[in-house]
Amino acid sequence: KAGVTQTPRYLIKTRGQQVTLSCSPISGHRSVSWYQQTPGQGLQFLFEYFSETQRNKGNFPGRFSGRQFSNSRSEMNVSTLELGDSALYLCASSLARFSTDTQYFGPGTRLTVL
Amino acid sequence: QKEVEQNSGPLSVPEGAIASLNCTYSDRGSQSFFWYRQYSGKSPELIMSIYSNGDKEDGRFTAQLNKASQYVSLLIRDSQPSDSATYLCAVKRNNNNDMRFGAGTRLTVKP
Repeated sequence: KAGVTQTPRYLIKTRGQQVTLSCSPISGHRSVSWYQQTPGQGLQFLFEYFSETQRNKGNFPGRFSGRQFSNSRSEMNVSTLELGDSALYLCASSLARFSTDTQYFGPGTRLTVL
Repeated sequence: QKEVEQNSGPLSVPEGAIASLNCTYSDRGSQSFFWYRQYSGKSPELIMSIYSNGDKEDGRFTAQLNKASQYVSLLIRDSQPSDSATYLCAVKRNNNNDMRFGAGTRLTVKP
């Protein structure tokens, strides 16, 4: 079974621009969660989508948004980019039937904001 | 107080030794606990999950959970240089897919 895929793998943007990242979950997984990883803050939860609905949201500003499509693929958008948004953005998919279900991470998108 | 705390390390052990990684969490509602390994420049990969008090063994890895003490640990027996990585402790509340991660412990296994 194919793993979680993320595109693009690397991205360079300038301040003020916006960016859209894509995530395709493992086949059959209905939940997609997004995380931001930085050296200073570590891995931080952004939001989770399940059956096209945002189910949970972390403590990030409204510039960070996402959506999920009927095939469970998810996109994350960041508007008005700031230097501090430079990070590794990871998505993780799970079956989300039970709380014990494991999340499997994709390879990540490395975003650099200049 | 951070929700999930780990010894930041770095932790250095000789090849063949036991590496002990520790994690404490603050939310008593936490029900699921995970250990992920992350190599430099790579994404986290699951090593172990544990949900009940006690020990859970998988090969060279043993996860230990004590909910009363809000403590979870990972033991790596017969450590190998290939175990050198950052180990992330993650905690999930029941029925909530929002995982909270510790800052990670960097482990180096010296040949």
